[in-house]
Amino acid sequence: GAGVSQSPSNKVTEKGKDVELRCDPISGHTALYWYRQSLGQGLEFLIYFQGNSAPDKSGLPSDRFSAERTGGSVSTLTIQRTQQEDSAVYLCASSFAGWGNSPLHFGNGTRLTVT
Amino acid sequence: DAKTTQPPSMDCAEGRAANLPCNHSTISGNEYVYWYRQIHSQGPQYIIHGLKNNETNEMASLIITEDRKSSTLILPHATLRDTAVYYCIVRANTGGFKTIFGAGTRLFVKA
Repeated sequence: GAGVSQSPSNKVTEKGKDVELRCDPISGHTALYWYRQSLGQGLEFLIYFQGNSAPDKSGLPSDRFSAERTGGSVSTLTIQRTQQEDSAVYLCASSFAGWGNSPLHFGNGTRLTVT
Repeated sequence: DAKTTQPPSMDCAEGRAANLPCNHSTISGNEYVYWYRQIHSQGPQYIIHGLKNNETNEMASLIITEDRKSSTLILPHATLRDTAVYYCIVRANTGGFKTIFGAGTRLFVKA
């Protein structure tokens, strides 16, 4: 079956531009997560969506970062006025539910390079 | 979510069992132990998870100590393709919607 799909796979942008990253979760999964991973580092939690509940935005590093999830399915992560330190791989994951017994399944990420 | 501690790197000979340890001494009763791995340029891949009992699937076995303060992931017959970073994480059953990934263990499988 189809896994988590992210687009684009690579994005190069100039400093100061806005970017949008897209995530298509596995069909039927109610929970969706965004992480970012800098070169050689572990995963940094950004934001979490669970069903119709208000998202947990506690991991967003600044107000330049925002995300939405339309219709409980596709999610878009937006970074405004990009900075060089935003360069990283942005990973999306989904799970059947937000319970601890529900594994996360990850996409292969979007590699963002800010020049 | 409880914090985990893993060795930064390990070596294993091809064909031998790889035993990857994880310490989670502050784990709560409702937190699951999960293992993921990440091969270069790919997203993390789910391996296995458990709460109290040992678990086995087609990829690996998970051994959780009786006090649940540590666990071991066992790859029974490591291959070169198992070279990856392995992450041990704990995840609450309810209310803990954030999953924290640490630095993991870099496993090198050598021919």
